[in-house]
Amino acid sequence: GAGVSQSPSNKVTEKGKDVELRCDPISGHTALYWYRQSLGQGLEFLIYFQGNSAPDKSGLPSDRFSAERTGGSVSTLTIQRTQQEDSAVYLCASSLMGNLDSYSPLHFGNGTRLTVT
Amino acid sequence: DAKTTQPNSMESNEEEPVHLPCNHSTISGTDYIHWYRQLPSQGPEYVIHGLTSNVNNRMASLAIAEDRKSSTLILHRATLRDAAVYYCILRQYSGAGSYQLTFGKGTKLSVIP
Repeated sequence: GAGVSQSPSNKVTEKGKDVELRCDPISGHTALYWYRQSLGQGLEFLIYFQGNSAPDKSGLPSDRFSAERTGGSVSTLTIQRTQQEDSAVYLCASSLMGNLDSYSPLHFGNGTRLTVT
Repeated sequence: DAKTTQPNSMESNEEEPVHLPCNHSTISGTDYIHWYRQLPSQGPEYVIHGLTSNVNNRMASLAIAEDRKSSTLILHRATLRDAAVYYCILRQYSGAGSYQLTFGKGTKLSVIP
């Protein structure tokens, strides 16, 4: 079946511009996660959605970052006034249930590679 | 925070077994041990998870020490497609209403033809 889809796959933007990254989770998955991965590093947790609500925004690095999820499905991660340190691969994952239930592993998309020039 | 320690890199010959170690000495009683792997230019992929007992699935086996302070991911016959970064992860409560998986840098596995 269809996996997690992210768009665009690559995005180059100028410093100071806003960007929107999109995630289409697997149909029926109630939980959605955003991570980012800088070059050669592990994954950094950003935000977690259960349905349309975001009970955990603890990983968002600054108030320039925001995310929303509508209809319990598609999610958008918005970065305002981008900085060069925002350059990274932004990964979205979904799971059938939230709180990382032992029978609901995360399914990741292939990410959006963001480059801020 | 419950953290894990893995070697930065390992090598294996093709068609031989691979044992990827992970230490997690501060694991709590309810923490599941998760393994994911990340192939080049892809998002991470679930491999296996367990709590106390050893686990087997079509991809790998997970051997968990009796005191749960370490575990080993076993690939029974490495193939070139198994070359990836392998992450050993403990589920952690974030303190903000959810559990999350905290990924470290993992072990980069190279498979030699």
